[in-house]
Amino acid sequence: SAVISQKPSRDICQRGTSLTIQCQVDSQVTMMFWYRQQPGQSLTLIATANQGSEATYESGFVIDKFPISRPNLTFSTLTVSNMSPEDSSIYLCSVVWRDEQYFGPGTRLTVT
Amino acid sequence: KNEVEQSPQNLTAQEGEFITINCSYSVGISALHWLQQHPGGGIVSLFMLSSGKKKHGRLIATINIQEKHSSLHITASHPRDSAVYICAARFNNDMRFGAGTRLTVKP
Repeated sequence: SAVISQKPSRDICQRGTSLTIQCQVDSQVTMMFWYRQQPGQSLTLIATANQGSEATYESGFVIDKFPISRPNLTFSTLTVSNMSPEDSSIYLCSVVWRDEQYFGPGTRLTVT
Repeated sequence: KNEVEQSPQNLTAQEGEFITINCSYSVGISALHWLQQHPGGGIVSLFMLSSGKKKHGRLIATINIQEKHSSLHITASHPRDSAVYICAARFNNDMRFGAGTRLTVKP
C-alpha cells in the first residue's frame, strides 16, 4: 500500500493569514488529489496535482486561493491563502497507486 | 442530486449486532470504494470493488453492478467500529463521495 503523511495534523490560524499543508507519499505516484471536508459534509475535490504540469482545479476553487506545488512524484503542498472562518475544514491529500486510492490522515484547520 | 447516495445517515447499534450500510449510484462506474473515517479525520480505505464480494475480517463488501448498488456489512460489531463510513464511486478519473454513514456501536 501507499503510505501518506501530512503536516501539520492540525492548526488554528487567524483570519487573513495563509497556511501551507504538506503531503508526502512513500511511493512515486502520478496523480495526487487535494480534498476539503467541511464540518458535517462529505469530501469535495479541490484540485488534481500531477507532477510536471499545472494543477487542475475543480469548479469553485481557484489557484490564487489554493496554490498547489508538485515538485516531484512523492510530494505536494496545498496553501490556503487569505483564510476566513469558512475555510475551517479538514484538508486531505490522496493518491492513486496501483489502481487503488489512498488517503492521508488529514489536516484539521480552524480559522478564527 | 448526489450521484452517490448512502443510507442510513446515522446508525446506532449494540455491540455484537450485524450492521449493513447501503450505497447506490446513478451511472456506470469503474470501481467503488468503502472508506472509514475516524473522529480525528484520517481516512482508511477498507475495500475497492468492481464486482462481486470482498471480505476482510468482520467486514464484508458486496456490489451488484446491474442494480448499481453496494453494501458494507459488519459482523459482530464492536465499539471500536464507531466511525463514519463513506461510499465513493470512481467514474473514470473522478471520485464521487456519498454523504457518509455515522455509525455508533454501544457496549
